[in-house]
Parts: sequence; C-alpha cells; structure tokens
Amino acid sequence: DADVTQTPRNRITKTGKRIMLECSQTKGHDRMYWYRQDPGLGLRLIYYSFDVKDINKGEISDGYSVSRQAQAKFSLSLESAIPNQTALYFCATSGRRTEPGYNEQFFGPGTRLTVL
Amino acid sequence: QKEVEQDPGPLSVPEGAIVSLNCTYSNSAFQYFMWYRQYSRKGPELLMYTYSSGNKEDGRFTAQVDKSSKYISLFIRDSQPSDSATYLCAMTLYGNNRLAFGKGNQVVVIP
Repeated sequence: DADVTQTPRNRITKTGKRIMLECSQTKGHDRMYWYRQDPGLGLRLIYYSFDVKDINKGEISDGYSVSRQAQAKFSLSLESAIPNQTALYFCATSGRRTEPGYNEQFFGPGTRLTVL
Repeated sequence: QKEVEQDPGPLSVPEGAIVSLNCTYSNSAFQYFMWYRQYSRKGPELLMYTYSSGNKEDGRFTAQVDKSSKYISLFIRDSQPSDSATYLCAMTLYGNNRLAFGKGNQVVVIP
C-alpha cells in the first residue's frame, strides 16, 4: 500500500462549488504539506502543518483552507472553486528535524482538479 | 527574482546520451540540495540528496553543487528511455522543512 494517499484522484467540478481534497499517510510523519502544480510554474506551496495544532500559510493560500484532523490526515478545501484553481494538487509529508533525512518530502500520487 | 531558477524547456536526447540539468538559486543560505524525479501522472520522488558543495554519485546519476556560484547540476549517464520524466531541483535551509522548488525540466530519452 502507498505511504501517502490522496482522494479523489480526479475531480471535475463547477465554479462556485465547495471541494475537499483528502490526504492520508502511514509514514508516521508529523509534517504535512499541500502543493499545486501548474505547467510552467512548478510546485507552489499552499499550506503546511508541522503537527496537529499547527497550520501555516504557504505562498498561495488565498481561496484555500485546510484541516489537520489527525497526525495522519490533512485535508485541503476550496470554499468556492474558480477556473484558475484548475491544477494538479499534491500532498506531501516529512519527518521531524531530529529524524535522519528530515528534509526529504514524500509525495502522494496527486489529484487532478478541473473547475469548469 | 525567484529563489530557484530552472529552465523548464523540454529536453530530448537519444538513448545512451548524457543528460545535463541545472538550477541556479539566489539564497546563499541554502544548504541542502535535492533532485526529484516525476513520472507522468505520478508524484515527485527523491532521486538525489546532497549537503553543501561537492559531488555525489549514485549509479548513472551524479549531482553537483557549487555554492560559490549558487549553481547545482544533475547528470544522467547512459540515459535510458525509462529516464524520461520531469526532473525538479529543490533546496532548503538548515533546520527547515520547507523546500524551494525549480519549475522542473521535462526529459525525453528517445530509443
């Protein structure tokens, strides 16, 4: 089984709809991240969480919100989806600073979201 | 100026050729440098990881870091069609989990 899973894998929705993307991990990592990837723009950080009680904005958080329900679960919500939020979304995890290789981030398979 | 610059232009090479990829960066405090490989319809996965300046070799892959020039490179020797993917550079500060990514280079190895 994959260590980092994302649901759904593909989603088509309409402008104005509320969408939730979910991420679960079995790696036991405290730190979790949400990115979006657009052609020509690379990976951009939306939100990140260093533990259950810690939520931080990334470089492009406007229009998004997150919830860290448990150590293993981190959800991304689009409150009112708009077409320019059409992108590939990735969840990632990493270990604590005290763990070897803590800089490495492990990515999920991605969610392809299309907003019409 | 973006923190990490990586020319996203697609690169096509014949099988067996050497692939050369590079990134430049502006933050001299970066100390950890990584290359991620991303196959189509998959998430990125770590390929190479280096700390500070120098070279690191792993099989057909060599990562180089030149901190004085703020320049990192990835070389793939004897390229194979299975190396066809997008390669993203990433880097971070000491004690920091946040990664600064390049835009990624799409590489196509033609049999």
